[in-house]
Amino acid sequence: QVQLLESGGGVVQPGRSLRLSCAASGFTFSIYAMHWVRQAPGKGLEWVAVISYDGNKKYYADSVKGRFTVSRDNSKNTLYLQMNSLRAEDTAVYYCAKDRASFGIGEIDFWGQGTPVTVSS
Amino acid sequence: AIQMTQSPSSLSASVGDRVTITCRASQDIRDDLAWYQQKPGRAPRLLIYSASSLQSGVPSRFSGSGSGTDFTLTINSLQPEDFATYSCLQDNSYPYTFGQGTKLEIK
Repeated sequence: QVQLLESGGGVVQPGRSLRLSCAASGFTFSIYAMHWVRQAPGKGLEWVAVISYDGNKKYYADSVKGRFTVSRDNSKNTLYLQMNSLRAEDTAVYYCAKDRASFGIGEIDFWGQGTPVTVSS
Repeated sequence: AIQMTQSPSSLSASVGDRVTITCRASQDIRDDLAWYQQKPGRAPRLLIYSASSLQSGVPSRFSGSGSGTDFTLTINSLQPEDFATYSCLQDNSYPYTFGQGTKLEIK
């Protein structure tokens, strides 16, 4: 069965960096695009970024463009999110999520359980 | 960015009721819309993709319709486990955008 296990969250000061990881199992990771989605406390879902199955295409939300970088290592079945210049408004639970269609980019069909990130001094 | 306006923001209903939730896109997104269910402290779950296709394993009381800018999620004969928050997602163009969510509560 599909499993996505996020790690790397925690408390970080404004302006600092954090890298999230997502270990995937139960499916052929290398043929699916992968997404990051976040949810601030008590708020709705916010899409953050997507990376194509081969890592050649990356797209970001305007709110994180230039600060966050999504990457993947298909040899390790792992997705990453490098978050720089963190702000208080980046405080959220960050979900790793799998795309539904192989070799394309479409909707999200499976989510991890999330890792919390708190940006506070 | 495409804006997704979801309504209502909250809804009270009883077991057995039929409920409808709407999402409106700020521009034509064809049928590039998905619906998700989320319970407190849990990850979202895909219910509907491509506006009207039922995800495998999702009960048939859930259905989706619409295309272009107006979309609907309908839940027939509400069950106790259906009380949750529902959100739409447009995957037509980047950045993807979610509706603000509809919290479905027990009356």
